[in-house]
Amino acid sequence: DVKVTQSSRYLVKRTGEKVFLECVQDMDHENMFWYRQDPGLGLRLIYFSYDVKMKEKGDIPEGYSVSREKKERFSLILESASTNQTSMYLCASRRTGFNYGYTFGSGTRLTVV
Amino acid sequence: SQQGEEDPQALSIQEGENATMNCSYKTSINNLQWYRQNSGRGLVHLILIRSNEREKHSGRLRVTLDTSKKSSSLLITASRAADTASYFCATAFKAAGNKLTFGGGTRVLVKP
Repeated sequence: DVKVTQSSRYLVKRTGEKVFLECVQDMDHENMFWYRQDPGLGLRLIYFSYDVKMKEKGDIPEGYSVSREKKERFSLILESASTNQTSMYLCASRRTGFNYGYTFGSGTRLTVV
Repeated sequence: SQQGEEDPQALSIQEGENATMNCSYKTSINNLQWYRQNSGRGLVHLILIRSNEREKHSGRLRVTLDTSKKSSSLLITASRAADTASYFCATAFKAAGNKLTFGGGTRVLVKP
């Protein structure tokens, strides 16, 4: 079964910590995405990557960075975690082309205290 | 603001009934997609309809697209308790390099 795997389901971190959220896909997809989901705000795109070592800012990149050293892995980095980054983080991947859907991971619920 | 807006925000129906939810968007699209999210989990892709298509079926799901009105609807026929979830429309629009923009979702509760 093809899938996107996020390393943690639940994560609790302290303010100021550097946080790494890992995402791995086994479908050989070129494109990978990080979203955050908050009540009342829906899903918002943080960063995406359309190839190894390539990255593009989404709608809300401030306070985040990403790394894509291998095709299958896309990491989201919170440089200095803050309480307003408490959220559900969703990773997704997609094949290149106009008419393909996204495959999502199960999500990481991050709480920053 | 969000590209796609779902209506209603919440829907409660009895098992066996049909559930209909709508999505409106603002700009020209390449395609529109519907996703389901069970509580606290990731999203699951349900169906994709291209901008040159008007209707598409997948099992108990029927999606329509009206590009002149910039709207889409998702119909779930003969609903089951397992259909209880949030449903999101997402648009891939041409000006944004085909990234998906999600609406706020419709919460559907199917009562047994």
